[in-house]
Amino acid sequence: GAGVSQSPRYKVAKRGQDVALRCDPISGHVSLFWYQQALGQGPEFLTYFQNEAQLDKSGLPSDRFFAERPEGSVSTLKIQRTQQEDSAVYLCASTADRGNSPLHFGNGTRLTVT
Amino acid sequence: AQSVAQPEDQVNVAEGNPLTVKCTYSVSGNPYLFWYVQYPNRGLQFLLKYITGDNLVKGSYGFEAEFNKSQTSFHLKKPSALVSDSALYFCAVRDRGGYNKLIFGAGTRLAVHP
Repeated sequence: GAGVSQSPRYKVAKRGQDVALRCDPISGHVSLFWYQQALGQGPEFLTYFQNEAQLDKSGLPSDRFFAERPEGSVSTLKIQRTQQEDSAVYLCASTADRGNSPLHFGNGTRLTVT
Repeated sequence: AQSVAQPEDQVNVAEGNPLTVKCTYSVSGNPYLFWYVQYPNRGLQFLLKYITGDNLVKGSYGFEAEFNKSQTSFHLKKPSALVSDSALYFCAVRDRGGYNKLIFGAGTRLAVHP
């Protein structure tokens, strides 16, 4: 079946540009997470949605980062005025419930800020 | 705060030999522990989890993990390594709260040599 889909797979942005990263979760999955994975590191939590409600944004590193999931399905992570330190792989994950079900990850978007 | 530590950056093992990838945790309350694997340019794939019950947990691809409360460890094991097991392995703990937010370790690169 279809898994979590992320687009684009690769994004190169010049410093100062705005970018938008898209995540299509598995159909029917209630919970959606965004993680940031720097080179050689483990994923770091950014934000969590339950349906359309953003219940936790404690991991967003600055007010340049913004995420939305307006209809409780597709989610977009937006980064304004990108900086070099924003270069990383951005992973999206979804799960069917709020319990201990495994997270299903997309393949990520690799963002390079030049 | 919940956290996990993976003390080895890399583990090297010969094909056919047993492998162990180490993980220790620090949590308040009962730990919910997970192992994920990441292949190059891919998202993370779930291997196994410990929530409660038997200390030896069996998962995908012949992997298993042993929960040891006294040593606060959750080491990943496999009796006979395959070259195709070469990948990045991440240990994770569920954060406190009412949803499945995971805190990941820094990862261990497993290299299985023919």
